[in-house]
Amino acid sequence: EPEVTQTPSHQVTQMGQEVILRCVPISNHLYFYWYRQILGQKVEFLVSFYNNEISEKSEIFDDQFSVERPDGSNFTLKIRSTKLEDSAMYFCASSGVENTEAFFGQGTRLTVV
Amino acid sequence: GNSVTQMEGPVTLSEEAFLTINCTYTATGYPSLFWYVQYPGEGLQLLLKATKADDKGSNKGFEATYRKETTSFHLEKGSVQVSDSAVYFCALSEFGGGADGLTFGKGTHLIIQP
Repeated sequence: EPEVTQTPSHQVTQMGQEVILRCVPISNHLYFYWYRQILGQKVEFLVSFYNNEISEKSEIFDDQFSVERPDGSNFTLKIRSTKLEDSAMYFCASSGVENTEAFFGQGTRLTVV
Repeated sequence: GNSVTQMEGPVTLSEEAFLTINCTYTATGYPSLFWYVQYPGEGLQLLLKATKADDKGSNKGFEATYRKETTSFHLEKGSVQVSDSAVYFCALSEFGGGADGLTFGKGTHLIIQP
C-alpha cells in the first residue's frame, strides 16, 4: 500500500542551526502539507502546497520556514535558524487529485538543544 | 476561531468493552469532521469522516455521528480489541477534504488490556 515516508525519524540540532525535514509523498498526489505537534499540545497546521506554490499557511509559518518540492518527488520543510520552541513532531501529508483524504507520514521528531 | 476539544487520556479499557471518546467543536461555518488514528510508530491515518449534519461516518467497527445541535462528533465502538490501542485525534476542516487547514484536538490515548 502506498505511504508517505518521512526522514529522519528523529533529528537533534543546536539552536540557530538550519534543518531540513524530508518527505516523500505518495507518487501521484498533488496536494502536500506540513503539520506539527509540540509535546502535549495539539497538532497544528503549518502550510499547504499545490501546483508548486504555497496555497495556505498559518501564522506559525513565518519567514524562518520554507517549503520546496525540489525534484518532483521530495517535499521538504526548512527551518532557517531553529529555536528551542521549534522542538516538535513534524508531520507531512499528501492527498490526491480529488483532495478528499490526506495520508500522513509517521512524523519527524525535531529536538532543538 | 475554530477549535476541537476531546477527552483527556489515557483511556484504559478491557477487551470487548464499549468505547466512547467525546469530541466537541467550535467553528464559524459548516465544517467537515474527522477522526484520525495513530498506531505506535506510524503516521496519522484517517479513520472516518462526516461532511454534513446527521451524517454518520463508520470504519473498522468505529462510528461517529455529526451532531450540529450539540456540536459533537463522539467516537464509539461496541467491542474494542487490543489492536485498537492507539492515539485518536478528532479534527475539523472548513475546506471539505484533504488536509487543508485541519484543526485537531489534543488526541486521546486509548489502551486496551487483554
